[in-house]
Amino acid sequence: QSVLTQPPSVSAAPGQKVTISCSGSSSNIGNNHVSWYQQLPGTAPKLLIYDNDKRPSGIPDRFSGSKSGTAATLAITGLQTGDEADYHCGTWDSSLGAEVFGGGTKLTVL
Amino acid sequence: QVQLQESGPGLVTSSQTLSLTCAVSGGSISSGSYYWSWIRQPAGKGLEWIGRFYSRGSANLTPSLKSRVTISGDTSKNQFSLKLSSVTAADTAVYYCARMRDYSTSRYMDVWGKGTTVTVSS
Repeated sequence: QSVLTQPPSVSAAPGQKVTISCSGSSSNIGNNHVSWYQQLPGTAPKLLIYDNDKRPSGIPDRFSGSKSGTAATLAITGLQTGDEADYHCGTWDSSLGAEVFGGGTKLTVL
Repeated sequence: QVQLQESGPGLVTSSQTLSLTCAVSGGSISSGSYYWSWIRQPAGKGLEWIGRFYSRGSANLTPSLKSRVTISGDTSKNQFSLKLSSVTAADTAVYYCARMRDYSTSRYMDVWGKGTTVTVSS
């Protein structure tokens, strides 16, 4: 059972927009920044979003993040088949003194 | 460009100790700007953060594994290591090492190794 809650799967058609939610509590998302990781099949996770809404160099602006209270959201616009991957949210949990993740969301581009 | 590479046995016998090493190139683990983390992922499941090493302080470990985990660093070899004792089948997973930025309320892993698969056999 993951500390953060994500939907197991989402899907949308190419060119459309999809959002992935990540729900937590005051000890984690409520008081710490959220990061998102993209994991393409058979590969290691890759940093996609950090500090709730910042993109590392090289990440297209089709990917965006936001946070409100104890929940965070990843949005992907202009979906491409190459976006099919697992997406993981993560943040620090101040009560546990540890980084925590969601269970991951599998994105299917129909 | 910083690169991380995990190494260690792919097969560990139940009740024994799992030992992995992460070699860092293109950067120094002695840098005060970063922590050095271990994360694992059982097949078909989500990520689980194990803990982290900091060259200027002690390691932080996730509570559920704390009694079995040791994370340490060797600055002379520019690598850090994970030891997980008394392993069971539940410890079978892909193990990743990663560089972690940590400042104020911001923490994230910006560089990851490719991962190494560890299977625990009885």
